Amino acid sequence: DAKTTQPTSMDCAEGRAANLPCNHSTISGNEYVYWYRQIHSQGPQYIIHGLKNNETNEMASLIITEDRKSSTLILPHATLRDTAVYYCIVSGGTSYGKLTFGQGTILTVHP
Amino acid sequence: DTGVSQNPRHKITKRGQNVTFRCDPISEHNRLYWYRQTLGQGPEFLTYFQNEAQLEKSRLLSDRFSAERPKGSFSTLEIQRTEQGDSAMYLCASRDTSGQSTDTQYFGPGTRLTVL
Repeated sequence: DAKTTQPTSMDCAEGRAANLPCNHSTISGNEYVYWYRQIHSQGPQYIIHGLKNNETNEMASLIITEDRKSSTLILPHATLRDTAVYYCIVSGGTSYGKLTFGQGTILTVHP
Repeated sequence: DTGVSQNPRHKITKRGQNVTFRCDPISEHNRLYWYRQTLGQGPEFLTYFQNEAQLEKSRLLSDRFSAERPKGSFSTLEIQRTEQGDSAMYLCASRDTSGQSTDTQYFGPGTRLTVL
């Protein structure tokens, strides 16, 4: 699976949009970009995934660049409960679904 | 859909003891994964099952570890002769591969193991 690079930490004010970047320059054509988050002492929570097109669901939006070498997860109105570690993962192809987690980005939402 | 459940949520044991964890995946999910997460690190893949068949094991899964999924539903992960280095969060995830081309996995809450 392609590797991803994320900032170690980010801050965001409550009510503002949180934009979390991820680089995945070695992504293959059949690999998806997944985002999960993990709140302290809980299991990872699926947020969103995409292949080429931008995606939106009730939790977040995912913007994937045209060359697919990077993406941005957007939480449109961050709340204190969004404070968590956010993982960007590239998976697909012959990986049989194994997810390779990196260090992730620690997002802290401030009042 | 009740989600992935894991039991127990916490386990404290003495070094050298055996422990067993259980994972109940989302109903009808045919793939089940086990991961381990140590403090400050992201989860690491241990093994996965397609129905009852164990198809891949990570090098992290030493011979003291064994996993089963006897009827293709729930799974157990056993650690024999536990060591302090086994202290970690053990996570289970499941996925439905029928008719889908994505790898979306849904995780349970994890079992936190502390080996004294």
